[in-house]
Amino acid sequence: EIVLTQSPGTLSLSPGERATLSCRASQSVSSSYLAWYQQMPGQAPRLLIYGASSRASGIPDRFSGSGSGTDFTLTISRLEPEDFAVYYCQQYGFSPITFGQGTRLEIK
Amino acid sequence: EVQLLESGGGLVQPGGSLRLSCAVSGFTVSTYPMSWVRQAPGKGLEWVSSIRLSGGRTNYADSVKGRFTISRDDSKNTVYLQMNSLRAEDTAVYYCVKGTEAAYGLFDYWGQGTLVAVSS
Repeated sequence: EIVLTQSPGTLSLSPGERATLSCRASQSVSSSYLAWYQQMPGQAPRLLIYGASSRASGIPDRFSGSGSGTDFTLTISRLEPEDFAVYYCQQYGFSPITFGQGTRLEIK
Repeated sequence: EVQLLESGGGLVQPGGSLRLSCAVSGFTVSTYPMSWVRQAPGKGLEWVSSIRLSGGRTNYADSVKGRFTISRDDSKNTVYLQMNSLRAEDTAVYYCVKGTEAAYGLFDYWGQGTLVAVSS
């Protein structure tokens, strides 16, 4: 099983700032089958990024993903008030499919 | 418009059974892989099970293998999760999710979830 470790656990920033979230895998993720999801309180998760760097339909271009192998990053270039949420990375190249434990992005 | 509507959650005693349903609109379940993902209260996301296109092949997380069964009814455009021998640690919101043609484990649409509580 591929274990995904996200850091930091909580990130406190202000609107307009840049956010950098990290996801490290215990072994290389196949063909960059790495996704990022956003979950607002009380809501279902929403797909943001797939294939490590491709934005899902309707996702603003302030969200970007990068990385390969075992190290991946989600960057939000300028935080909007609606971006404060929990973010999960996920690998979908190997079974079992696994998620990171999440990074909570909170308003400073 | 794609919609996934879960139902069937509720309170059940340890050792009991429940069947979750996911009624789909906006696409046909026979043409995309479907899965269930759960989230225990205040915790992260856990993949539970998937049903793929090729022959309806299924796979399960070790934590539910032998107790849960995923299936689909193409005539009703609905996906099910039969959950037997429920344990307290199965308490969670269960999400029905749609996979993509490229990867069954890439989830581009999610339902709103149904809460399963296992307690005596």
